[in-house]
Amino acid sequence: DAGITQSPRHKVTETGTPVTLRCHQTENHRYMYWYRQDPGHGLRLIHYSYGVKDTDKGEVSDGYSVSRSKTEDFLLTLESATSSQTSVYFCAISESAGVYYGYTFGSGTRLTVV
Amino acid sequence: DQQVKQNSPSLSVQEGRISILNCDYTNSMFDYFLWYKKYPAEGPTFLISISSIKDKNEDGRFTVFLNKSAKHLSLHIVPSQPGDSAVYFCAASVTNAGKSTFGDGTTLTVKP
Repeated sequence: DAGITQSPRHKVTETGTPVTLRCHQTENHRYMYWYRQDPGHGLRLIHYSYGVKDTDKGEVSDGYSVSRSKTEDFLLTLESATSSQTSVYFCAISESAGVYYGYTFGSGTRLTVV
Repeated sequence: DQQVKQNSPSLSVQEGRISILNCDYTNSMFDYFLWYKKYPAEGPTFLISISSIKDKNEDGRFTVFLNKSAKHLSLHIVPSQPGDSAVYFCAASVTNAGKSTFGDGTTLTVKP
């Protein structure tokens, strides 16, 4: 029912290389988010967007940048990947900023930095 | 400073019994609270929410209770089923702030 897709689903990359993860939605939702999930840390917000070219930092934004040039696409870039960025990354979308009906999450991207 | 806490990393209950998952928060500005459920290798899915103007919201087997004075909410699942076995995340939002803060999750295991 994929109103939201993430690519790639899995990636292994080397320390120091740039990496871009893509989130694509077909729901025309205004809000888009990038979270990372790590054992013992739950879901932590990296960056979010409340419209085209409108983005803001979350609680763990260091080392990450984002871009949203179209409503449907939200890109997350690791500027120079480090082992601490090994994680599962989830994109989410929302009509209502996470209230009322919550987020719809993608299936995740498992990133390993070696 | 963790604003949303789920102090029990895991919970095990017998099929048919009640499951109670707990969540505490510290930010009094939060005015919307949500629960998500996550199966392995999948993204979380929204389960149920509650506004701070209410103290209870019910949806089928799932009920969320909010105690604002204690800054505490709980999710009750009655009766519990093996298919409910998953990680449950509590989340809190400030309406119009544009983002949610999540707890660390509680792994629920429902035994047949």
